[in-house]
Amino acid sequence: QVQLVQSGAEMKKPGASVKVSCKASGYTFIDYGFSWVRQAPGQGLEWMGWISAHNGDTNYAQKFQGRVTMTTDTSTSTAYMELRSLRSDDTAVYYCARGLNCSGGPCYVRPFDIWGQGTMVTVSS
Amino acid sequence: EIVLTQSPGTLSLSPGERATLSCRASQSVSSNSLAWYQQKPGQAPSLLISGASSRATGIPDRFSGSGSGTDFTLTISRLEPEDFAVYYCQQYSSALLTFGGGTKVEIK
Repeated sequence: QVQLVQSGAEMKKPGASVKVSCKASGYTFIDYGFSWVRQAPGQGLEWMGWISAHNGDTNYAQKFQGRVTMTTDTSTSTAYMELRSLRSDDTAVYYCARGLNCSGGPCYVRPFDIWGQGTMVTVSS
Repeated sequence: EIVLTQSPGTLSLSPGERATLSCRASQSVSSNSLAWYQQKPGQAPSLLISGASSRATGIPDRFSGSGSGTDFTLTISRLEPEDFAVYYCQQYSSALLTFGGGTKVEIK
């Protein structure tokens, strides 16, 4: 079945970096793209950006520009999100979601129909 | 950036009652590119509605979406016990996606 499986929980110190993976299965990887969304404890959803698995194009929310890098590996059908210079307020659950349609032409944004299970990232000294 | 404002923040209702959730955009959402998600504690969100009014696969017909432009509504006609959760709207009409702050539907 179509699913996204994310890497496990991470604990990091302030100033460090974290890289979260999201492995896709059950569909043609390069026909879609991914958004990354985070949710701080007890808070709402925050969109971080998207990446096309078709050609690697990215679009980051302004808040994360310069601090986030999203990549994909088509050989393993895996998407990655790296966040640098971590602060305590980066403590959150990070989700990947299938949210870009790239089949048959230019990519276009679409609702998130498949989500990963989430990865808890804790930033603490 | 399109800002989405959801109201109310919390809705206290009993099973069997009707729930009406609002999502207002700071500017027009083109092509009705508005989605609704449900999130239960400890779970990832799941897609309920896309295109403002189209139910996702497997979503029961007690869930309905309506609206256009800047004002959108999610209606749950008769609340079932499993419907008590947090609901988020999201716009995808611009390349910079945004979510509303969420509405919690709790048991009264």
